[in-house]
Formats: sequence, C-alpha cells, structure tokens
Amino acid sequence: EVQLAESGGGVVQPGRSLRLSCAASRFTFGDYGMHWVRQAPGKGLEWVSGISWNSDIIAYADSVKGRFTISRDNAKNSLYLQMNSLRLEDTALYYCAKDGSWLFWGPDSWGQGTLVTVSS
Amino acid sequence: QSALTQTPSVSGSPGQSVTIYCTGTSSDIGAYDRVSWFRQPPGTAPNLIIYDVSKRPSGVPDRFSGSKSGSTASLTISGLQTEDEADYYCSSYTSSSTLLFGGGTKLTVL
Repeated sequence: EVQLAESGGGVVQPGRSLRLSCAASRFTFGDYGMHWVRQAPGKGLEWVSGISWNSDIIAYADSVKGRFTISRDNAKNSLYLQMNSLRLEDTALYYCAKDGSWLFWGPDSWGQGTLVTVSS
Repeated sequence: QSALTQTPSVSGSPGQSVTIYCTGTSSDIGAYDRVSWFRQPPGTAPNLIIYDVSKRPSGVPDRFSGSKSGSTASLTISGLQTEDEADYYCSSYTSSSTLLFGGGTKLTVL
C-alpha cells in the first residue's frame, strides 16, 4: 500500500517561509506525478501544485503562483513545497498526493497531511 | 481558476440511490476524461472512489458509479449505507495544465 508522510508544518508569521516535505514509500516514486493539495479549516479541497515524474512539467494554482515552488528528488523518494511570502489565507492542512500517471491528472493516494498555520 | 460547482448537500435513506453533480466548463470537464471523485469522512484524508470519469479503483464497491455529459460529471451511489455519510469532491484536469476541485458535497444518510 502506498505510503506518503508529510512533514514541516507549523506556526509561522505572515511574510515568512516554510518548507514542506513528503516522504514516499511502497511504490516506484520516480514513475508518477505528484500533487500538493490543501484544505483550510472547515473548507473544501484546493489544488496547490503538481509536478510530473521527471519534473519537466510543473503547474501552480493562481493563488500561490510566484510564492510557492514544488520540487522532487526521485533518488530520495521525496516531494517538497517551498512556501514563501506566506499569507493568513495559506493556513490549511497540506496533503501530499500521488497521481495515477506520470503527470498530474488526478490523485489516487493521499497522505495524512501537515498543518500550516500562518498567524501574527 | 474557479472551483467546479457541486451542490453543497444531498441526503438519502439507507437503500436508496443519490446522485451528486459536478459542473465545469469546456476547459476542464468538457475537454478531458480526467474526472475523479473522492470520499472524505470527517477528520480523515480523502480517498479515491472514481477516476477517469467512470473507473473504480480496486476495492471500491460497484455501488459507486461515475459518468459525464458535456461539462457535467456525476457520481451515483446506489444502495446507500450509513457509512457512505461523508463529504464528496470531484476534480478535473484543465486546459491550463492544472487541476480543479469542486466545492464539495456533504452526503447525509437519514
């Protein structure tokens, strides 16, 4: 069974940075696209970013474009999200998710999430 | 990048069928057969129940079925069970090479 373990969440002030990590196991990480999806408290799911299997194709939601950077290290079976210039509205549970393909057409497995709280 | 449109809530009695709709545009649902549905019980991570409009992952009962017509996708749950009570979300790949989620539908089993 696919395992995805997010880490790096915490409480941060507006304008500061945070880096999330996702450790993947029990599947061939380098063969699949990956996603970051977030869920604000009591709200719905919001897609944040996706990255193809070899990092050639990367996309972001308009709400984070220019502030967040997704990356992956296939040798380390790890996915990352560098979040800069954080805003109050970035407060959410951030999920790492595996795609069912080499791109990011739709997640098929999810981690348990890491909580990011942006607060002064 | 507006979210796909879902009815906020639906309800049904055990044994009945319910259908949840997800409306997009010609740039997302209408353009690709890359529609997925997820089930999220309270306090847990989402779980995939339908992908590529109508395909079921292994282990998902055939009570769950998906379809699409134009820019609207639908999820039908037949033979409702109390454990089906959860939030349900649709997603679609878009022509901007992004992914969009619906706003979610809360299913109550009366």
